[in-house]
Amino acid sequence: NAGVMQNPRHLVRRRGQEARLRCSPMKGHSHVYWYRQLPEEGLKFMVYLQKENIIDESGMPKERFSAEFPKEGPSILRIQQVVRGDSAAYFCASSPQGLAQETQYFGPGTRLLVL
Amino acid sequence: AQSVTQPDIHITVSEGASLELRCNYSYGATPYLFWYVQSPGQGLQLLLKYFSGDTLVQGIKGFEAEFKRSQSSFNLRKPSVHWSDAAEYFCAVGAEYGGATNKLIFGTGTLLAVQP
Repeated sequence: NAGVMQNPRHLVRRRGQEARLRCSPMKGHSHVYWYRQLPEEGLKFMVYLQKENIIDESGMPKERFSAEFPKEGPSILRIQQVVRGDSAAYFCASSPQGLAQETQYFGPGTRLLVL
Repeated sequence: AQSVTQPDIHITVSEGASLELRCNYSYGATPYLFWYVQSPGQGLQLLLKYFSGDTLVQGIKGFEAEFKRSQSSFNLRKPSVHWSDAAEYFCAVGAEYGGATNKLIFGTGTLLAVQP
């Protein structure tokens, strides 16, 4: 029973490039959350998605960031024209139905370094 | 707005000693509260959670936490710390959006070091 999978685990990009982070939720989970952890800080909510729908993107920066969770395949967090301030660990979590009582299960994270 | 405060950034305890990590929250209704642990370079693992009922919650690895509404606190405790408990601990509150609680607001974390 595989947990939440994220890839790549580490990603290095130069300023101006694009970064694509992938998240495969646990089997049977249709709700995905993305969080960002900046150095020396806690995790900050970015976006909450169900299959083919963005439910809450209140934590997403207004520009350069986008997320999707297609009917088939993993959820993708896309960062265009990366800047050094985007360097962080990006975590994905999933839950079965998005209910308050459910645990969010976290993946191992993608550590993005922007040179 | 919901928020979580973890007053202690770093804590060092001796192996075998007791541990208490503090967490205070701000929330308008009955909160959903969580404690997660993060080992270096790893993701987060749930230790325990509180939704309702008994205010003393038991978790994995011998941890427990007590919800105190009057103090807006949800402190994590362990009677005897093991060296393998060295990690970063995050308290989180479930936040509502559109009537459904579906995102977590995290504190800044407490880094625990264990001395032999």
